[in-house]
Amino acid sequence: GAVVSQHPSWVICKSGTSVKIECRSLDFQATTMFWYRQFPKQSLMLMATSNEGSKATYEQGVEKDKFLINHASLTLSTLTVTSAHPEDSSFYICSARDPGPSSYNEQFFGPGTRLTVL
Amino acid sequence: SQKIEQNSEALNIQEGKTATLTCNYTNYSPAYLQWYRQDPGRGPVFLLLIRENEKEKRKERLKVTFDTTLKQSLFHITASQPADSATYLCAHPYSSASKIIFGSGTRLSIRP
Repeated sequence: GAVVSQHPSWVICKSGTSVKIECRSLDFQATTMFWYRQFPKQSLMLMATSNEGSKATYEQGVEKDKFLINHASLTLSTLTVTSAHPEDSSFYICSARDPGPSSYNEQFFGPGTRLTVL
Repeated sequence: SQKIEQNSEALNIQEGKTATLTCNYTNYSPAYLQWYRQDPGRGPVFLLLIRENEKEKRKERLKVTFDTTLKQSLFHITASQPADSATYLCAHPYSSASKIIFGSGTRLSIRP
């Protein structure tokens, strides 16, 4: 199946700093990628849909100025957590859809990035 | 709004038995349901997709059913093994087919 990578796999930062997380589709082109956040023992919550060449679409309650998304190419989307605070500490996961013709396309997930804000 | 529930937070069973996980959805009639496996500290891995016009789908030791009347999907692992221990998530599309919503997951533990 298709492979999605994320970098870094974990990051620790001080409160008030910004952190950038990269999501790459390694063997396919993805016009759409998705960013999720997962707190311990909870499910994945969709934060935003990243669209190549256009603005991201954010879910209700997600601050677009705090979570900046850039999808500059067909294989790369980045999520920047600006002015991070301890409550932003979470597991951030990206995914990309199989670009096949079917509308029932499965999503391929990256390995996740563990963010800890001190 | 769409809601998807996995009733059991955790399930512990003996190796060799069949594990059955439940997923219920409300306020929506999805065209398909998906099941994923997630290991601790990792991203989910796609397992199976079942469409609304399919009653059952199988893949090796895995079987998924889809009952649109009950608004429920069952996920079965037969001849379970300790290596099957993980969290299993069900998911279905939002009203827009490109986004999917996840259940809270069931943490399955298979004891030797």
